[in-house]
Amino acid sequence: GENVEQHPSTLSVQEGDSAVIKCTYSDSASNYFPWYKQELGKGPQLIIDIRSNVGEKKDQRIAVTLNKTAKHFSLHITETQPEDSAVYFCAASILSGGGNKLTFGTGTQLKVEL
Amino acid sequence: GAVVSQHPSRVICKSGTSVKIECRSLDFQATTMFWYRQFPKQSLMLMATSNEGSKATYEQGVEKDKFLINHASLTLSTLTVTSAHPEDSSFYICSARSLTGPSGNTIYFGEGSWLTVV
Repeated sequence: GENVEQHPSTLSVQEGDSAVIKCTYSDSASNYFPWYKQELGKGPQLIIDIRSNVGEKKDQRIAVTLNKTAKHFSLHITETQPEDSAVYFCAASILSGGGNKLTFGTGTQLKVEL
Repeated sequence: GAVVSQHPSRVICKSGTSVKIECRSLDFQATTMFWYRQFPKQSLMLMATSNEGSKATYEQGVEKDKFLINHASLTLSTLTVTSAHPEDSSFYICSARSLTGPSGNTIYFGEGSWLTVV
């Protein structure tokens, strides 16, 4: 089955700096890679996703890159703000008619310091 | 984005009783919903995949007779924890797959339900 590794487990940055979280996956058939932000005591919130037919996607301060050859994908947050502090999870999945089972990374605790 | 509602958000039950958690997709139809369990400071652990109109598919190690899943309609799936014990206390989260509209083929999560068994 799919295995997703995520690094780092914790990340502290100064407000205004950039944050990068990296994930690797094992199953070359995976073609859908969402990123979720989870605040304490709440469910994960989808912040951005990318499909395997593109290499990069950007939404305001958030961007995701995908390297299918290396099976790497990364989340980039620019101009970080204190409200970006949360746990971020990457995930990988195979989009299909009856599937879509997400395999999650272990999470990254991001702390944005003033 | 699409909205997935989970209820209750917090529940306390006595050991030995059963408790039901609901997961609803509010603005889209979801043929597939997923149930997760999450322990503090850990990642989400998939418990089962719920398919509308058919039996749920459970992950290895998850007791299907203890965690009953029903997906009776395209917008509602329920998880019933039967004969709950303190070790069942956890954060339970559902997600639903949207196949249509601008959010096509995307998975959205509910807000989670905190279960405490006393």
